[in-house]
Amino acid sequence: GEDVEQSLFLSVREGDSSVINCTYTDSSSTYLYWYKQEPGAGLQLLTYIFSNMDMKQDQRLTVLLNKKDKHLSLRIADTQTGDSAIYFCAESYSGYSTLTFGKGTMLLVSP
Amino acid sequence: NAGVTQTPKFQVLKTGQSMTLQCAQDMNHNSMYWYRQDPGMGLRLIYYSASEGTTDKGEVPNGYNVSRLNKREFSLRLESAAPSQTSVYFCASSRQQGAEGYTFGSGTRLTVV
Repeated sequence: GEDVEQSLFLSVREGDSSVINCTYTDSSSTYLYWYKQEPGAGLQLLTYIFSNMDMKQDQRLTVLLNKKDKHLSLRIADTQTGDSAIYFCAESYSGYSTLTFGKGTMLLVSP
Repeated sequence: NAGVTQTPKFQVLKTGQSMTLQCAQDMNHNSMYWYRQDPGMGLRLIYYSASEGTTDKGEVPNGYNVSRLNKREFSLRLESAAPSQTSVYFCASSRQQGAEGYTFGSGTRLTVV
């Protein structure tokens, strides 16, 4: 079945780049997503990438997709303390299926 | 633009009590979802409604029922609450399943004692 794996914790210093990694098992995944959850809040969609793309950039965010290794990463440039949150990777295998989420990576940014 | 609105935000129930969690979206989305979030478990899908008039079970449906009242509203009911149902519940909606991601509500924190 579908499974999405993420490391649980990442700590960086303000101004550094953060890279959050995700692996998925369903090779037919069509859409891959990154969500951000701040304390006490719901999940906010950050960005998503179609499986026919290798990279997507949106301001400080860069998403890289390696389909061969089923590996997705989210790079945050110039990480700020406001980026401290839990980041969830998610995938769906078509536009008509539900999303499967990883367990989330807690990013802690220290001054 | 309100997006996805969940009520209540907090609730404490005694074991065996029933309650309904309400969810409404104003984005004219077709699909709606209920997830629960537990420490170390990520988000797990309880039920979803791909379109008005349909509902389907997700990964963890036992102990829950849902109603897609109309296109805007999707409620989650606990008929006889158990301590194992202590969790944070999120409602979400999307224009179409899978594509373009979901919009989430801010959650209901439920404690069953």
